[in-house]
Amino acid sequence: QQQVKQSPQSLIVQKGGISIINCAYENTAFDYFPWYQQFPGKGPALLIAIRPDVSEKKEGRFTISFNKSAKQFSLHIMDSQPGDSATYFCAASAFYSGGGADGLTFGKGTHLIIQP
Amino acid sequence: DTGVSQNPRHKITKRGQNVTFRCDPISEHNRLYWYRQTLGQGPEFLTYFQNEAQLEKSRLLSDRFSAERPKGSFSTLEIQRTEQGDSAMYLCASSSTGIAGNTIYFGEGSWLTVV
Repeated sequence: QQQVKQSPQSLIVQKGGISIINCAYENTAFDYFPWYQQFPGKGPALLIAIRPDVSEKKEGRFTISFNKSAKQFSLHIMDSQPGDSATYFCAASAFYSGGGADGLTFGKGTHLIIQP
Repeated sequence: DTGVSQNPRHKITKRGQNVTFRCDPISEHNRLYWYRQTLGQGPEFLTYFQNEAQLEKSRLLSDRFSAERPKGSFSTLEIQRTEQGDSAMYLCASSSTGIAGNTIYFGEGSWLTVV
């Protein structure tokens, strides 16, 4: 069964600190791993994504670390700011290996609070 | 440049009534997705279109749900004989095929409350 397990459910970080959210997957056909940010009442917005041919991708304060052998990937938010307070979802799909047909399988989300 | 547009944004309906949501994807995006999201959960995949063809349907999409994309542009999601368990946010998303990959852009969602 396709599953993406996300932890922690909630996270409180001080302003300026590093926020770390972890995800693990089971389906070895997954080959596309995006992270989405969602504010209350809004749709999810793509933050950053990675393919398994690289172990790390950085965009500004956001970094994805990917461990293919462990089937795990994580989001690091450096210098966390109060404006980063939101719910973060990891997701996965077999877009490239599945012929592009698969939709995204999401984790259950992490509610992140950055304390000023 | 407009994003994915959904309407209505909110709908309150009585149990047993039919409701229809509309999604206008980003122009030139040939792929369109419907997801459902309940409070405290991640979005769950419902169905997916490439142009006008519905290529994949989740087991979550019961017989009371039907989605169409008649001309490969906008899409509608209809829920017949609504039940309280249908209360959720229905998200539409779109993407384009190509070497850039599968960046999926979501709309703001349509909230459904069944009373």
